[in-house]
Amino acid sequence: GESVGLHLPTLSVQEGDNSIINCAYSNSASDYFIWYKQESGKGPQFIIDIRSNMDKRQGQRVTVLLNKTVKHLSLQIAATQPGDSAVYFCAENSGGSNYKLTFGKGTLLTVNP
Amino acid sequence: DAMVIQNPRYQVTQFGKPVTLSCSQTLNHNVMYWYQQKSSQAPKLLFHYYDKDFNNEADTPDNFQSRRPNTSFCFLDIRSPGLGDAAMYLCATSVGIFAAGVGNEQFFGPGTRLTVL
Repeated sequence: GESVGLHLPTLSVQEGDNSIINCAYSNSASDYFIWYKQESGKGPQFIIDIRSNMDKRQGQRVTVLLNKTVKHLSLQIAATQPGDSAVYFCAENSGGSNYKLTFGKGTLLTVNP
Repeated sequence: DAMVIQNPRYQVTQFGKPVTLSCSQTLNHNVMYWYQQKSSQAPKLLFHYYDKDFNNEADTPDNFQSRRPNTSFCFLDIRSPGLGDAAMYLCATSVGIFAAGVGNEQFFGPGTRLTVL
């Protein structure tokens, strides 16, 4: 069977609260970042992206903040719902001719009703 | 709807018995990727195709091969599956052209869960 995986960082919140998921990225040359949501047994699903010429971008109930000085990315989810329970991955791309993504470790978000 | 499709969703094979996983896309994207994902871990890139140009990751075992007969289809072949190859296998696609206003978002399929007995 599968090897034992690493324990994911976890975040547990109450329904209706705001959630903040953090990610430290590794490559100072990265200029495009994505957050993915992955529910159990499914493929990652795009949530929101941001380019390095921005420090904030908002979507529906989600906001991504980028701090290039400390190479930090965060995802804020407003009014968290049980359907938001999933693993969240950040990913970075260094652009140019490199179109591959480098994924962070992931955070397990659990929303308690 | 344009999408990435993976078949089968669940695959059981025996130790050492070759297995092929399938991916198709209707997005007409240039790039197709194969990832391996084990429990509680991030997806790990195995290889990708940019059109017909195959790009292997340095640490991908020789046991894993891929074929892309046309733009729409890409296959992952595991020649001799071991117990350690049991995982979720994810296919993804992207436009592959990084230009102003175009991100390199990757679109993922639902994955194939491989069990090795």
